[in-house]
Amino acid sequence: QKEVEQNSGPLSVPEGAIASLNCTYSDRVSQSFFWYRQYSGKSPELIMSIYSNGDKEDGRFTAQLNKASQYVSLLIRDSQPSDSATYLCAVKKPDTGRRALTFGSGTRLQVQP
Amino acid sequence: NAGVTQTPKFQVLKTGQSMTLQCAQDMNHNSMYWYRQDPGMGLRLIYYSASEGTTDKGEVPNGYNVSRLNKREFSLRLESAAPSQTSVYFCASRTHHDTDYEQYFGPGTRLTVT
Repeated sequence: QKEVEQNSGPLSVPEGAIASLNCTYSDRVSQSFFWYRQYSGKSPELIMSIYSNGDKEDGRFTAQLNKASQYVSLLIRDSQPSDSATYLCAVKKPDTGRRALTFGSGTRLQVQP
Repeated sequence: NAGVTQTPKFQVLKTGQSMTLQCAQDMNHNSMYWYRQDPGMGLRLIYYSASEGTTDKGEVPNGYNVSRLNKREFSLRLESAAPSQTSVYFCASRTHHDTDYEQYFGPGTRLTVT
């Protein structure tokens, strides 16, 4: 079982719809969770972080965390073609001293005009 | 404020050649990281440096060495390149706050080993 799992997609949604991206993680004591957006040929860009159960909203983005079920999701409201990218879920596990993140392999989102 | 910079952007090596990938950050971050990204594999940690003068192995360190030259710079060296090291390499840095784990990435180096 991968430590951080995402459906590779592509997830295709029409412009203006809500895109829902999901991520599950295996280590129950993981602490911090991040969503990165990566355009083709570019580097990952941090778009959301969430540390406690519940929802966190930032503009058109909402991150949702459920530690009991070990999943984190990202909702993108009013999806735009410019949102077409790969979305990487990243998890901070309990401190190993490295303070590094474990990444999922990403979900490719396509927003159709 | 350039953030995290990497050189070169592209590189082609022959098997057995060596090279050093350079990374620098101007955000006064303590921690720096090297990742590689392969199709379908996500980002995998090669080496990291928690602070100037310290380095440690990540998930996939074999075939690589690193140097934390100073607080700003963290280089990755391939001593004898192999085709399996064909990948995109990203450098990242992180703020020094203990409770803040957000990492910021450089633009990447696309390496092909033939």
